[in-house]
Amino acid sequence: AQKITQTQPGMFVQEKEAVTLDCTYDTSDPSYGLFWYKQPSSGEMIFLIYQGSYDQQNATEGRYSLNFQKARKSANLVISASQLGDSAMYFCAMRERSYNTDKLIFGTGTRLQVFP
Amino acid sequence: NAGVTQTPKFRVLKTGQSMTLLCAQDMNHEYMYWYRQDPGMGLRLIHYSVGEGTTAKGEVPDGYNVSRLKKQNFLLGLESAAPSQTSVYFCASSYRGLAGGPRPEQYFGPGTRLTVT
Repeated sequence: AQKITQTQPGMFVQEKEAVTLDCTYDTSDPSYGLFWYKQPSSGEMIFLIYQGSYDQQNATEGRYSLNFQKARKSANLVISASQLGDSAMYFCAMRERSYNTDKLIFGTGTRLQVFP
Repeated sequence: NAGVTQTPKFRVLKTGQSMTLLCAQDMNHEYMYWYRQDPGMGLRLIHYSVGEGTTAKGEVPDGYNVSRLKKQNFLLGLESAAPSQTSVYFCASSYRGLAGGPRPEQYFGPGTRLTVT
């Protein structure tokens, strides 16, 4: 069965510093996608970044980058130059794809707190 | 373009009552999903739909039913609510599959906070 593991329940980082949020996954499917979502205290789910299993380059979106290490089955999120507004829950997710289905499997999340 | 909307935003039910949550999307997405989020956990898939008139079970389907009579709407029903169904419910939609559409991510609604007493 496919699985996503986030081992850091909480992380602290000082404003303007970089932070890495860990995510490991397990799948036997050669074709998959990895996602990171942000959930602020207001509750909505905000898409941050996507990495396809066949993508040669690590994905980047502004201050977000995904450190994709396929052999190690890890997909860590790197946030550069942290801002106070980055304080939120962060979820790693994997898109499971099989015949006529397409589902996201989520990790349990990491709560990031950015302090001045 | 409203994206994904959910109705209602909050609801309190008594054990045994029934209700329907409505999800609507205006992006012409094929796939729609219902998740629940409990404290300390990620989102878990309840039911999903890969097109109008189709539905399928997810990870935690017991106690819920769904219908997709129109492409833009996906309804989640609780026939006899139980305290264990107290949760935040999220609806999402997406293009068809990883290889279909310009963007592969799921778009989420704002959530419905349901309390069953």
